[in-house]
Amino acid sequence: KAGVTQTPRYLIKTRGQQVTLSCSPISGHRSVSWYQQTPGQGLQFLFEYFSETQRNKGNFPGRFSGRQFSNSRSEMNVSTLELGDSALYLCASSLAPDRGNEKLFFGSGTQLSVL
Amino acid sequence: AQTVTQSQPEMSVQEAETVTLSCTYDTSESNYYLFWYKQPPSRQMILVIRQEAYKQQNATENRFSVNFQKAAKSFSLKISDSQLGDTAMYFCAFMTPGGDDKIIFGKGTRLHILP
Repeated sequence: KAGVTQTPRYLIKTRGQQVTLSCSPISGHRSVSWYQQTPGQGLQFLFEYFSETQRNKGNFPGRFSGRQFSNSRSEMNVSTLELGDSALYLCASSLAPDRGNEKLFFGSGTQLSVL
Repeated sequence: AQTVTQSQPEMSVQEAETVTLSCTYDTSESNYYLFWYKQPPSRQMILVIRQEAYKQQNATENRFSVNFQKAAKSFSLKISDSQLGDTAMYFCAFMTPGGDDKIIFGKGTRLHILP
């Protein structure tokens, strides 16, 4: 069974641009969550999608958005990139929305560098 | 606010030794989940162990065990017979089910297993 796939693996953008990251969950998983990892702030929850609906959102500005498609694949978008958006973006999938009792399966992340 | 604190940014131990990673958390909730995640150089987060707060028995998974002290709000991870493959970043995390369902991570402890 294929794991969680995130593309691209690395990305370089300049300030002001926008970026779209992709996450393909494990087959059969309907919940996808996104996280931002930086050396300063650590790992922070961005949002969670289940059955194409956002069910939860972290404390990030509106420049960060996401969506989920009918095949459970998810994308996250960051508009008007800032230097501080440079981070490793991780996604995770699970069978159902995570309320602590679901096992999350993570991808290897997309390393975004904003110049 | 709910917080998770890992007081050891970095640790090194010899192979085959036992090592304990510390984690404290702050919450006013009585029901919650605690986790330890491992992030090896591949960047893919892997769940090591999970503890439900209402269970007094400490969780164990092979060489990994926790010391859960609910009154002290402490959740340490013990790795016995450490192996080179245990070299990774370890994150302690917390979630309150039925609340906002947002997982909160500590800043992590970088663990080096030395040959």
